[in-house]
Amino acid sequence: TQLLEQSPQFLSIQEGENLTVYCNSSSVFSSLQWYRQEPGEGPVLLVTVVTGGEVKKLKRLTFQFGDARKDSSLHITAAQPGDTGLYLCAGVIEGNTGKLIFGQGTTLQVKP
Amino acid sequence: DAGITQSPRHKVTETGTPVTLRCHQTENHRYMYWYRQDPGHGLRLIHYSYGVKDTDKGEVSDGYSVSRSKTEDFLLTLESATSSQTSVYFCAIRVNLNTEAFFGQGTRLTVV
Repeated sequence: TQLLEQSPQFLSIQEGENLTVYCNSSSVFSSLQWYRQEPGEGPVLLVTVVTGGEVKKLKRLTFQFGDARKDSSLHITAAQPGDTGLYLCAGVIEGNTGKLIFGQGTTLQVKP
Repeated sequence: DAGITQSPRHKVTETGTPVTLRCHQTENHRYMYWYRQDPGHGLRLIHYSYGVKDTDKGEVSDGYSVSRSKTEDFLLTLESATSSQTSVYFCAIRVNLNTEAFFGQGTRLTVV
């Protein structure tokens, strides 16, 4: 059973298109994070959201934490080939001793 | 870059042999994690540690054990390697529950 369900798992789009990746759970999280991973490397943090309803922007990327702190989304506006990579959501379930779990990941390909 | 080193980086071993992977940090971070990464599964948590000699199981702990006798070292042992444990293994470190997780470069393990 996957505690963090991430969708879609694969996405292939043209440069300039918009996209949204979703991360859902039945559990409440104390925080949710989004990472990006390049081939042969470890994941690197993009953002951390902590408060229900929180929205954070990082250039063309917008991150949202659901009001109930059970879900999150990543929206990319006007995708570019440089956005290609594996995107992972991760979080710690509220009340847990620090167990950081990840979703299955979304492989994004942006074609020129 | 966070001071986190995994060794070895690559290993080929035979079925039934014990294998130990090492994660070493120079950051004095409290939390340390071992994950495995396989296509379509994102990062799956094997074991994690929230202090010296304090460890807990993750989602896929069967066949693996860990030890943390010092803050800086977190060892992952495959007691009797099987082909299903062929994977890329990542170590991560973290200061507290809402901070960034820093990852090592990964260890590619092949069990033949």
